[in-house]
Amino acid sequence: GAGVSQSPSNKVTEKGKDVELRCDPISGHTALYWYRQSLGQGLEFLIYFQGNSAPDKSGLPSDRFSAERTGGSVSTLTIQRTQQEDSAVYLCASSLNARTLGETQYFGPGTRLLVL
Amino acid sequence: TQLLEQSPQFLSIQEGENLTVYCNSSSVFSSLQWYRQEPGEGPVLLVTVVTGGEVKKLKRLTFQFGDARKDSSLHITAAQTGDTGLYLCGTGANSKLTFGKGITLSVRP
Repeated sequence: GAGVSQSPSNKVTEKGKDVELRCDPISGHTALYWYRQSLGQGLEFLIYFQGNSAPDKSGLPSDRFSAERTGGSVSTLTIQRTQQEDSAVYLCASSLNARTLGETQYFGPGTRLLVL
Repeated sequence: TQLLEQSPQFLSIQEGENLTVYCNSSSVFSSLQWYRQEPGEGPVLLVTVVTGGEVKKLKRLTFQFGDARKDSSLHITAAQTGDTGLYLCGTGANSKLTFGKGITLSVRP
């Protein structure tokens, strides 16, 4: 079976533009996570979705960031009015069930975002 | 949020050498995971440790969880160039993972 896929793999945008990043989780995985990886901060949790429950948005750095998950599968992370500090690798992961402690998360290859 | 400190931050060694790297926290881990990430890829889970004092082996990699569950080490025996990568430790409550900043390992041929 296919792993987690993300698109685009690279995105260059101008400051102030909006961007959408897409994640296709492993089929059958009910939990989906977004992380951001930057040089200075390492790998940071942004948001996660578990089934039909309300998402945990506690890691989103500002209200310019939002995410949705349609039909319990594909997810889109949207960054509005991008800033240069948003430049990072955005990683998506999925797991069978977020409620199981230590559940294995499978990561996609990431989207490398560069804001000029 | 639990803070994880990893050390050393960078390590460059010759193929065939042994090495040990560390992951520490001031608070107790519920469980701890080690990941390896190669350039252009996402992290891949290597191991999960749960019980204090636990030792797990994965080929030439040995993972140890401290008795007090506040620290963990990863020992690589006879490193190979294929071991090159970023090694991350992570822990999570409700599966929201918190990661250390990682250890960049370079194994020279």
